[in-house]
Amino acid sequence: QKEVEQDPGPLSVPEGAIVSLNCTYSNSAFQYFMWYRQYSRKGPELLMYTYSSGNKEDGRFTAQVDKSSKYISLFIRDSQPSDSATYLCAMSEDTDKLIFGTGTRLQVFP
Amino acid sequence: SQTIHQWPATLVQPVGSPLSLECTVEGTSNPNLYWYRQAAGRGLQLLFYSVGIGQISSEVPQNLSASRPQDRQFILSSKKLLLSDSGFYLCAWRGVYGYTFGSGTRLTVV
Repeated sequence: QKEVEQDPGPLSVPEGAIVSLNCTYSNSAFQYFMWYRQYSRKGPELLMYTYSSGNKEDGRFTAQVDKSSKYISLFIRDSQPSDSATYLCAMSEDTDKLIFGTGTRLQVFP
Repeated sequence: SQTIHQWPATLVQPVGSPLSLECTVEGTSNPNLYWYRQAAGRGLQLLFYSVGIGQISSEVPQNLSASRPQDRQFILSSKKLLLSDSGFYLCAWRGVYGYTFGSGTRLTVV
């Protein structure tokens, strides 16, 4: 079993839709959770950072962490074509050595 | 502000040839630095990390090595490339909140 599992997609949605991206993990010691966005042929860029359980909102993006279920989510409201990218979840026990999911490819069509 | 530079952007090398990829960071001192490889469908795999000059930790036994000759310089090397070394190589440094990645080097071994 992989430490971090992420559906690779692709996920195709119309502009304006609410997008839900998810990851599950097996290591109960993980306490730092991140979401990265990666455009084609570019390095990943940090989108959301969460410590421990709970929700965090930033504009159209909301990150949720449920440590009891070992499950994290990223919601994108009012999705735009510019949101089309691969989304990677990442997590770690401390702030070192992030473990990444394989990424979910999202396409938002006009 | 902190920036990370990585070069070259793309590289095509024959099997058996040597490799040297360089990464430099500006705007911070004594950063934790990381080399990741991203292969299709496999997410980001941590190859090496360094907490200081001359300090290298290897995560995965492989045909690659890393060096940190200066505080803000991290180099990924190989003496003889294999076909399986092809991939997208990313350098990163650890900030307060998550990692910042370079723009990556796409290496194709032919």
